[in-house]
Amino acid sequence: EAQVTQNPRYLITVTGKKLTVTCSQNMNHEYMSWYRQDPGLGLRQIYYSMNVEVTDKGDVPEGYKVSRKEKRNFPLILESPSPNQTSLYFCASSSNSKSYGYTFGSGTRLTVV
Amino acid sequence: RKEVEQDPGPFNVPEGATVAFNCTYSNSASQSFFWYRQDCRKEPKLLMSVYSSGNEDGRFTAQLNRASQYISLLIRDSKLSDSATYLCVVSPGGYQKVTFGTGTKLQVIP
Repeated sequence: EAQVTQNPRYLITVTGKKLTVTCSQNMNHEYMSWYRQDPGLGLRQIYYSMNVEVTDKGDVPEGYKVSRKEKRNFPLILESPSPNQTSLYFCASSSNSKSYGYTFGSGTRLTVV
Repeated sequence: RKEVEQDPGPFNVPEGATVAFNCTYSNSASQSFFWYRQDCRKEPKLLMSVYSSGNEDGRFTAQLNRASQYISLLIRDSKLSDSATYLCVVSPGGYQKVTFGTGTKLQVIP
């Protein structure tokens, strides 16, 4: 089954404790992206990657890191999480076709206390 | 002005009604347009792409008006299962910078 897999689904952590949210897709998509979703603000792009070893900042990259060492994986790293990073996070992937939309992962609900 | 604007709703409509949502965008260079559906606390799912000539998928019709810079989604014969938040997505192309609207909430009432 074609899918984007995110882990974990839920995470509660403390301020300053490094964490990684994993994202993997099995569709051989070139393009992958991370979003956060907050009430009233909608989905905001954190980072995206056009292909292996090619990443760029989205609208809200501060406090996050990403890497794209393999085509299928695009982990999101929070080196020192803070409470304002409490949010619902989505990973998404797509082929580069203009008429092809995103496939999203199921989301990771992160709480930083 | 926001890059992509949607009326947040909620739109409360009876079963069987026809309902339409608009989404305005500010970047005239935008090339790709989509409608997504998001159920509460779930991931967004692609509903349909929006083509310049307009397109239809069953009860759903999407239109693009480049002159006025908006896209629309029309849902005919609303079902209870159509209750969700509908997100519009606009991109200049190539997926480098995709902007999501904040969504329009639809509640279909029995």
